[in-house]
Amino acid sequence: GAVVSQHPSRVICKSGTSVKIECRSLDFQATTMFWYRQFPKKSLMLMATSNEGSKATYEQGVEKDKFLINHASLTLSTLTVTSAHPEDSSFYICSARASGYDTQYFGPGTRLTVL
Amino acid sequence: AQSVTQPDIHITVSEGASLELRCNYSYGATPYLFWYVQSPGQGLQLLLKYFSGDTLVQGIKGFEAEFKRSQSSFNLRKPSVHWSDAAEYVCAVTNFGNEKLTFGTGTRLTIIP
Repeated sequence: GAVVSQHPSRVICKSGTSVKIECRSLDFQATTMFWYRQFPKKSLMLMATSNEGSKATYEQGVEKDKFLINHASLTLSTLTVTSAHPEDSSFYICSARASGYDTQYFGPGTRLTVL
Repeated sequence: AQSVTQPDIHITVSEGASLELRCNYSYGATPYLFWYVQSPGQGLQLLLKYFSGDTLVQGIKGFEAEFKRSQSSFNLRKPSVHWSDAAEYVCAVTNFGNEKLTFGTGTRLTIIP
C-alpha cells in the first residue's frame, strides 16, 4: 500500500516552454501533497505544500507564478513549470500524506532537462 | 529550528558485514523520526519510522533503528548487508501536527564484495 506515482519520469523541453508533472496517490486519499526539488548531492528542498481544494503554500524563495501547483482531487496534484529555463533543470519529487497520518510517501521523481 | 545531521557522507561496507548509519537531530518537541532509502534517479522509499513506544523499531529489508532520546539519535542498523543495499540513506524528522519534514543530507552506502 501507500504507492505514489509520478509522470513523466523524464522530460526534456526547450527553453521557454511549460512542462506539467503529475503526482498521483494510487491506493490512498492524499489530503496533503508536497513538491520537492533535489539538486545533485544535496538534500531535498521543499518547494510547496498543497492541500486538496486549497491554494498551495510556497516556501520562501520559490516563485509561485513559475511553479504552478494544482491539487484538484484527493489523488492528483500537478506541478507546472512555466516558461522553463535551463536553471530549472532538476529532479522533482512529490510526496503524499493521508489525513491524520504523519508519514509522507514519495513518488519516484521526475528528471527535468531544459535545453 | 529543527535540524538533522548525518555525519557520514559516504560509507563503504563489505557484503555480509554489519552496518550502522548515524542520525542526530535537534528538536524541541517530541520527534517523529524516519529513515528513507533512495536509489539513483529514484524517489524515497520509507524504511521505518518512530512515533512513540518501543524505541527499537523494525523496518523493511531487515533494517532496524533505535531511538535514544538522551543522545538525540536515531541510528539505522542492519546485521548483514547485501549488495542490493547500496543506495543513499536519508534520515528525516518532524513532529505531531507539523506538516514539514526536515531532512539530513544523506549517507551514501557502497557495498564491496
